[in-house]
Amino acid sequence: AQKITQTQPGMFVQEKEAVTLDCTYDTSDPSYGLFWYKQPSSGEMIFLIYQGSYDQQNATEGRYSLNFQKARKSANLVISASQLGDSAMYFCAMREINTGTASKLTFGTGTRLQVTL
Amino acid sequence: DVKVTQSSRYLVKRTGEKVFLECVQDMDHENMFWYRQDPGLGLRLIYFSYDVKMKEKGDIPEGYSVSREKKERFSLILESASTNQTSMYLCASSLRGQASNQPQHFGDGTRLSIL
Repeated sequence: AQKITQTQPGMFVQEKEAVTLDCTYDTSDPSYGLFWYKQPSSGEMIFLIYQGSYDQQNATEGRYSLNFQKARKSANLVISASQLGDSAMYFCAMREINTGTASKLTFGTGTRLQVTL
Repeated sequence: DVKVTQSSRYLVKRTGEKVFLECVQDMDHENMFWYRQDPGLGLRLIYFSYDVKMKEKGDIPEGYSVSREKKERFSLILESASTNQTSMYLCASSLRGQASNQPQHFGDGTRLSIL
């Protein structure tokens, strides 16, 4: 079974609108962390936001927020007020603390976001 | 800021060649990682290292080896390159420890083509 599932290969959003990128995960480890990365066409991976499994509040970083629904095992990324520079691939990733090596990340297959005028 | 530097952005090699991809980080991170990225497959872990001379296999180690002689440097080696190793290769580093909020920091990637 996939540990991280991103079901949207591609998404379009108009400039200044909000967009939600979906991510579901599968783990039996009670202690884990969820990460979102952005990869522009230039190739570098940029860390955006983190959510811990025990965090009571949804994480926010500027225009990025994470809609964390633990019971549903989902960690969707919300980008508010989209900008043309947000066009990129977005990856969801998970670290399981108690199973295997704590530092290892498992990535989803990514969602390509295109922001239009 | 953490800086992870990969030696080449683009590389073209021939089938059967021995290929070295180099990665250097400047933040004294204990952990270093090599991934390959293919369309529709996301990032897959090839090898990682949590200390000098220490290495562990990731999810797809076949056809690859690694070397970590110094803390700041982690090399990926394709012993005999094959066309199915044409891919984007990404190096990353992170702090060791149980703190789950430590992100991995990535280099800019190397687009490797094997002809």
